[in-house]
Amino acid sequence: NAGVMQNPRHLVRRRGQEARLRCSPMKGHSHVYWYRQLPEEGLKFMVYLQKENIIDESGMPKERFSAEFPKEGPSILRIQQVVRGDSAAYFCASSPVAGTTYEQYFGPGTRLTVT
Amino acid sequence: SQQGEEDPQALSIQEGENATMNCSYKTSINNLQWYRQNSGRGLVHLILIRSNEREKHSGRLRVTLDTSKKSSSLLITASRAADTASYFCATDGTSGTYKYIFGTGTRLKVLA
Repeated sequence: NAGVMQNPRHLVRRRGQEARLRCSPMKGHSHVYWYRQLPEEGLKFMVYLQKENIIDESGMPKERFSAEFPKEGPSILRIQQVVRGDSAAYFCASSPVAGTTYEQYFGPGTRLTVT
Repeated sequence: SQQGEEDPQALSIQEGENATMNCSYKTSINNLQWYRQNSGRGLVHLILIRSNEREKHSGRLRVTLDTSKKSSSLLITASRAADTASYFCATDGTSGTYKYIFGTGTRLKVLA
């Protein structure tokens, strides 16, 4: 059973470009969470999705950021018109059920660098 | 300070020594988890401890939870150079939530 997969692992974008980060949850997991980690900091919750639904996006910046988890295919975190402050590691996690009773399994992350 | 704050921020020990890291949090929790992150890598789950548990062991790891003090500790016994990493606690904050709140981590360095 493959773990959570994220791609790309590293992404470099110039200011103003768009960044698309992909996350494939573990097989059988229908709950996906995105977290962001700034340098020397812990992870901060961004958004929680189930298939075709955004359940909680309270951690997402109001502008430029969006997330989706379509019926088919990976979850996508999209950042439009990136700025230097978006440079961070973005982690995706998945779980088989909702709630924190179960472990969230993390992917290796995508490191976004905005130049 | 934020939920799930680790202490100390950095710790340097010799191989073979024990390493203890502490985590304090503010609100009631259902579960608390400890994760390890090697430099530039993803998170590896270590232990989940539930609010009705006081202590858990996994190999060389021992986690305690004191809900009255809103604190947890992670003890790594007989440390190895390979234990060098950042260690984070993550709490679920309030009843029935799904989002984990991470602290800023303890950076452990084990010297060979």
